[in-house]
Amino acid sequence: AQSVSQHNHHVILSEAASLELGCNYSYGGTVNLFWYVQYPGQHLQLLLKYFSGDPLVKGIKGFEAEFIKSKFSFNLRKPSVQWSDTAEYFCAVNFYNTDKLIFGTGTRLQVFP
Amino acid sequence: SAVISQKPSRDICQRGTSLTIQCQVDSQVTMMFWYRQQPGQSLTLIATANQGSEATYESGFVIDKFPISRPNLTFSTLTVSNMSPEDSSIYLCSVGPYQGTEAFFGQGTRLTVV
Repeated sequence: AQSVSQHNHHVILSEAASLELGCNYSYGGTVNLFWYVQYPGQHLQLLLKYFSGDPLVKGIKGFEAEFIKSKFSFNLRKPSVQWSDTAEYFCAVNFYNTDKLIFGTGTRLQVFP
Repeated sequence: SAVISQKPSRDICQRGTSLTIQCQVDSQVTMMFWYRQQPGQSLTLIATANQGSEATYESGFVIDKFPISRPNLTFSTLTVSNMSPEDSSIYLCSVGPYQGTEAFFGQGTRLTVV
């Protein structure tokens, strides 16, 4: 079955620390990949997306993600987090043989000043 | 891009009753999707709604509990039937990803069952 896994359920960092959130998916075919963020009390917002081309994708607010096809991974990174990055982060995958989006379990990030 | 209007934005309902959530898209789309986000959890796909055919439900979701209508290419409804407190969640409708764009989400319906 198609699935998406996020290894880190809860991450706590101090401001200026570097961030890397893992995302792996189970499927060997073509995929579209997304990271969404949900700030407290707010709706889902797209951080970045990968469809094809350069596997290093840059998104909003200084986030980036790298697609490594051989590892079925799409990890999210940010070199220096801010308190305002406190939110829930969701990796999502669109598997090409379907039209639906499968979400990972989410990672709760807390950044302390 | 697509703009999705979803209503109601929130509701508090008595157990045993039903609530119908409406989702309006500003453009014609083939497929619409309904998700549930339980408190502190990720999004789980409930079903895919195609215009002119019955919705396709994911494992663990059934039509009797979550009937869906899709009368045209811009509108869909999800009904949460015979509600119990366990149905308290945020319900979201979505379109995409398609045509090389990301998925777009409605603002969600926060349902509390008491």
